[in-house]
Amino acid sequence: SQKIEQNSEALNIQEGKTATLTCNYTNYSPAYLQWYRQDPGRGPVFLLLIRENEKEKRKERLKVTFDTTLKQSLFHITASQPADSATYLCALDVGGGNKLTFGTGTQLKVEL
Amino acid sequence: EADIYQTPRYLVIGTGKKITLECSQTMGHDKMYWYQQDPGMELHLIHYSYGVNSTEKGDLSSESTVSRIRTEHFPLTLESARPSHTSQYLCASSEGTSGWESQYFGPGTRLLVL
Repeated sequence: SQKIEQNSEALNIQEGKTATLTCNYTNYSPAYLQWYRQDPGRGPVFLLLIRENEKEKRKERLKVTFDTTLKQSLFHITASQPADSATYLCALDVGGGNKLTFGTGTQLKVEL
Repeated sequence: EADIYQTPRYLVIGTGKKITLECSQTMGHDKMYWYQQDPGMELHLIHYSYGVNSTEKGDLSSESTVSRIRTEHFPLTLESARPSHTSQYLCASSEGTSGWESQYFGPGTRLLVL
């Protein structure tokens, strides 16, 4: 069955550093991959979408890469700030029709 | 800010009661979804709809039911709540034109069944 793995342990980094989060998947060749941010007690918020023919996508301080050979996506936040502290989720459309399967998420904590 | 609303935000209810969780969106999106999320766990798709009078079950089996009589409204109903239904329920919508659009989520309903 489709499996999406994200770092289960929380990632603690210092303010100003670059945070790198990993999303690995198996048993599927998705046409695209999405990243969301989720704050405690709230619904996820869409951040970036990257298609299989795109190696990299950027939006302000965010950068996503997509390696379909390694079956891996990396999510980078440069010049991180305490306000970036949240759980970050990756999601794939496994069955088509935009029905997303989510990873468990990685909790990021940016410290002063 | 996405215009998708869920009520109630929190609900504590006794076993055996019938409940309806409301979800509305004002964006005119065709596709709507319900996810279930336990604390610290991933979201699981339990229902989805591609438009009025279209509903399908998701990957995670759920005893809940849904209806889609109007584009903007996608309520979820539990006929007889049980403690195992305790969870957070998140509603989402997407435009539904390209096939790979982002989803907009509501704030969620946190349900506790005693």
